[in-house]
Amino acid sequence: EDKVVQSPLSLVVHEGDTVTLNCSYEVTNFRSLLWYKQEKKAPTFLFMLTSSGIEKKSGRLSSILDKKELFSILNITATQTGDSAVYLCAGLGGGSTLGRLYFGRGTQLTVWP
Amino acid sequence: NAGVTQTPKFRVLKTGQSMTLLCAQDMNHEYMYWYRQDPGMGLRLIHYSVGEGTTAKGEVPDGYNVSRLKKQNFLLGLESAAPSQTSVYFCASSYYQYGYTFGSGTRLTVV
Repeated sequence: EDKVVQSPLSLVVHEGDTVTLNCSYEVTNFRSLLWYKQEKKAPTFLFMLTSSGIEKKSGRLSSILDKKELFSILNITATQTGDSAVYLCAGLGGGSTLGRLYFGRGTQLTVWP
Repeated sequence: NAGVTQTPKFRVLKTGQSMTLLCAQDMNHEYMYWYRQDPGMGLRLIHYSVGEGTTAKGEVPDGYNVSRLKKQNFLLGLESAAPSQTSVYFCASSYYQYGYTFGSGTRLTVV
C-alpha cells in the first residue's frame, strides 16, 4: 500500500529557530517528492524533488531527497511568524498511477514571536 | 488566467440531499483530481481523470461520483449526502505529472 508519513505532526518554535520537517514514503513507481505549504486555503507549491542528494533552495527554505532511504527533509532557517502553516509532503506515482499524489498528514508548524 | 476554479466555495446540505461540485481549469491540463481534506489529515484522493471521458477511483471513492465530459471540467457529485462527507474539497489539475495546480477549495457541511 502506498503511503507517506510525516513527522512531527506538530511543532512549536520561536522566531529565529531552525526547523527540520521529515517525510518518508513508499510509493509504487515513485517519480518525485513534492512539498507544499498550506495556510487556511489551497496548498501552495514549494519544491519538487526528483533526484537524490540534490538540495533545492528558495530563500530560507531548502529540501533534499534520499531515494535510497526513501525520505525527504524540509529545512526552514531563521523562522518567522509568517512561516506558521501546515507543511504537506506528497509522493508522485508513475506507471499506471502517473500523476497521482499520495499525501502525508502534514506537519503543523507554529512560530511564536 | 484563472487557473483552477471551484464552485461553490461554501455549501450546507441536509442529510440525503444531492449536489454537484464543479471544477474548471483553463490550462489545457490532461489530468484532473478531486481530494478531500479533514482536520489533521492530509489530502485524500476521491476520484481522478487522465483525460476527457475517463475517470478512475482514488483512495476514498464511496459515496461520490464524477464525470469529465469536457477536458476543462471535472464534476464531483454527492447523490445522498451524509454527515461523514462534511469536509473541505479541493480540485486540482496537472499536465501529466507537471504543473500541479489546486483550486481554492469548497467547504461542505452536511447536517
